[in-house]
Amino acid sequence: AQTVTQSQPEMSVQEAETVTLSCTYDTSESNYYLFWYKQPPSRQMILVIRQEAYKQQNATENRFSVNFQKAAKSFSLKISDSQLGDTAMYFCAFMKPRGGADGLTFGKGTHLIIQP
Amino acid sequence: NAGVTQTPKFRVLKTGQSMTLLCAQDMNHEYMYWYRQDPGMGLRLIHYSVGEGTTAKGEVPDGYNVSRLKKQNFLLGLESAAPSQTSVYFCASSSPLAGGPDEQFFGPGTRLTVL
Repeated sequence: AQTVTQSQPEMSVQEAETVTLSCTYDTSESNYYLFWYKQPPSRQMILVIRQEAYKQQNATENRFSVNFQKAAKSFSLKISDSQLGDTAMYFCAFMKPRGGADGLTFGKGTHLIIQP
Repeated sequence: NAGVTQTPKFRVLKTGQSMTLLCAQDMNHEYMYWYRQDPGMGLRLIHYSVGEGTTAKGEVPDGYNVSRLKKQNFLLGLESAAPSQTSVYFCASSSPLAGGPDEQFFGPGTRLTVL
């Protein structure tokens, strides 16, 4: 079975700063998918970014980018020019390569606070 | 297009009572999932379904049953609720894509308290 570890329970940065959230995972699969989800106080789960393990290039979505190190089994999320609206819980998640049929395995989350 | 909806949004039960949570999606997705979220934990998969009439156990299935009689609906049942089942329950759906998984779309969650 795969496991996902987020070692930072909480982080706090000033608005406009850059912040990096860490995620490591353990799996015996050679191909898989990794995700970052955002959960604001509204509780809604929002997909931030996804990465396919067989792709070398790191995924980027506007101010959000990942640093994917397959050999180290590391998948960190970088948020540039942080905004107050980025305050939320952030979850790293793993999916096996069966088209999503087995669901997601989540880490315990990082509570990110953006200070004005 | 409502996406994924969950009924009810909140519920308080007494130990031993039963209830059913309803999840509905209007995106014609094949796959549906039930997760629970506890404080300090990420979401954990309870049960899932890869198509109408099929269900399978996830990571934490004990104490729950599910049914998928219609493609658009996925029901989660608690036959005899226990305080350990106090949690926020999320339903999600997705559709398989050739070459990779589609995004999982989540409902707004149901907060269940068992006294």
